[in-house]
Parts: sequence; C-alpha cells; structure tokens
Amino acid sequence: QVQLVQSGPEVTKPGASVRVSCKTSGYTFTSFGISWVRQAPGQGLEWMGWIGVYNGKTYYAPKLQGRVTVTADTSTNTAYMDMSDLISDDTAIYYCTRTTKGRLDSFDYWGQGTLVSVSS
Amino acid sequence: SSELTQDPAVSVALGQTVRITCQGENLRAYYVSWYQQKPGQVPLLINYGKNSRPSGIPDRFSGSASGSAASLIITGVQADDEADYYCNSRDSSGNLWAFGGGTRLTVL
Repeated sequence: QVQLVQSGPEVTKPGASVRVSCKTSGYTFTSFGISWVRQAPGQGLEWMGWIGVYNGKTYYAPKLQGRVTVTADTSTNTAYMDMSDLISDDTAIYYCTRTTKGRLDSFDYWGQGTLVSVSS
Repeated sequence: SSELTQDPAVSVALGQTVRITCQGENLRAYYVSWYQQKPGQVPLLINYGKNSRPSGIPDRFSGSASGSAASLIITGVQADDEADYYCNSRDSSGNLWAFGGGTRLTVL
C-alpha cells in the first residue's frame, strides 16, 4: 500500500532552518510528483511547492520562493522540504503529498504531518 | 496567480443535500480537486477531475463544474460528514497550485 512517512516534530528558533523528510513506499517513486502543504494552527491549507520526481522540476508558491527548497532522493524514495529564515508565522503542520500527473491531477496520498514550531 | 474562494461555513440538516462551492477564474481552464479534513486528521482526497472519486469514497460525494465555479455536492448528508472541505486547482501558469480558504460544514 502507498505510504508517506514523515520525520518527527521540530522545535526551532526564529532565523533558523528546518528540514522535513518524507519517506515513501508502495509505489514507483519516479512516476509521480511530491507536493508540500502546510497548515498553521486553526488555519486552512496552504500549498507550498512541488517537485516532479520524474523530471526534477520544482515550483514554489511565490510567497515562499527563496526560503523553501524541495528535493527528492530517488535512491531512497525520500522527499525533503527545507525552509530557511524561519519566523513564528511558519509554525504549522507540514504535509507531503503524492501528486498525480496530468490535467486530472490531485494530491491523492498524504503523509501524517510534521509539526514545526518556531519560537524564541 | 490563483485565488479560489469558498464560503467559510455551510450548514445542512441530516439526510439533506448540500452544495459547497469554489470560485476562481482558473477553474475555466483547470480541474478542481476536493479534500475533506476532520479535526485532528490528515486531509483526504474525495473528488477530482471530471467527478472522479478515489477508492472507498462513497458516491454521495460528487463534483461538478461550470465556468469559473466548481461544486462539491453531498447527498444524504450524514453526521460523519461534518468537516472542513477544501478545493484546490492550478493557477494560470499551470505550474502552481492553490487551495481555497475552506468551508466548514455543520450537520444539524
């Protein structure tokens, strides 16, 4: 079965960086994309960025461009999301999602979420 | 850019039908997908494309689209359908995605 298992919670300080990993299994990693979505406490979902694991392309939400980097390691079927220059507003649950290809795309499988807390 | 607009809250009586809407100019060109999120849980894909449902999602959940609007229609609403519902689609470039602000469904 398809699984996306994320790394554990992170507590970090303003100005620091964080890396969240997303270990996948149960499907061909290089046939799909991975998107990252976050949700601040009590707020809605926010799409952050995407990597086409099959072509290496990346796209990011304009407001996060320059602070977020999404990568994928095809040798371990693991995706990573790196975020730098953290501020308190970055406190959120971060999700990785498998992203299907084509016009009928969707985020069909989700990781369990990783809580990132940014506080001085 | 992409902006998807949803009503913040909708209520429906048990057993009735409810329509949750999502508006955005990019919906004229791109399909929408819908996600259900219950408190403390991970979002769940419930409808996408031309009204497709993942395995295990009941046919009470259907999707439709016309022009710049898309709808998630839930028929025979059950108490367990009480949740937040989010739409998602691509922006005008086709390279970025965005979520609507979400609709909180209350079952009366």
